[in-house]
Amino acid sequence: GESVGLHLPTLSVQEGDNSIINCAYSNSASDYFIWYKQESGKGPQFIIDIRSNMDKRQGQRVTVLLNKTVKHLSLQIAATQPGDSAVYFCAENTNFGNEKLTFGTGTRLTIIP
Amino acid sequence: NAGVTQTPKFRVLKTGQSMTLLCAQDMNHEYMYWYRQDPGMGLRLIHYSVGEGTTAKGEVPDGYNVSRLKKQNFLLGLESAAPSQTSVYFCASSYGLVYEQYFGPGTRLTVT
Repeated sequence: GESVGLHLPTLSVQEGDNSIINCAYSNSASDYFIWYKQESGKGPQFIIDIRSNMDKRQGQRVTVLLNKTVKHLSLQIAATQPGDSAVYFCAENTNFGNEKLTFGTGTRLTIIP
Repeated sequence: NAGVTQTPKFRVLKTGQSMTLLCAQDMNHEYMYWYRQDPGMGLRLIHYSVGEGTTAKGEVPDGYNVSRLKKQNFLLGLESAAPSQTSVYFCASSYGLVYEQYFGPGTRLTVT
């Protein structure tokens, strides 16, 4: 899964197509999840979040799906544009006295014109 | 509304030198964080603060110190830089722990 790894997974998608980026989170006690987008040379930018009492949440062109049974999170981007090219990573917040965000290593999304 | 700003953007240090990274936010957030980002690894939390005058250790605190004298500022200090501290450092702030974090543009630090 994405949570630990030395190599950054990559995904190439044709402009206009939909893309799905996956994330396997590590802690079944996590109760809050965020997707970030990071463009080259910039800081991470918030895309969308979801709490553990939800299975799905939609934003503008983006949808996050949460499957707590298999500890899996996905980000769907509709009608991809060149500006969507970036590294995307998920973060999970774990409760119970050690609350902090744990970040995955990310997936590099490249949009092919 | 500038959000989260960081200074400097780039810095080169020699082993043993010291420096301070400054983070400022204008969103009146209580929580502030310092992370480092290394190739092939996710963001790792160095130190964080849950309010003015408070600091706490994160995942990788060794070799770093922090101070939060004013609510809007969070300083990260390296007392004696080591090559292992070559990294990109990001500051972030949030309204609370279970809320989105807003990140600054980063500081690229090289220690030779």
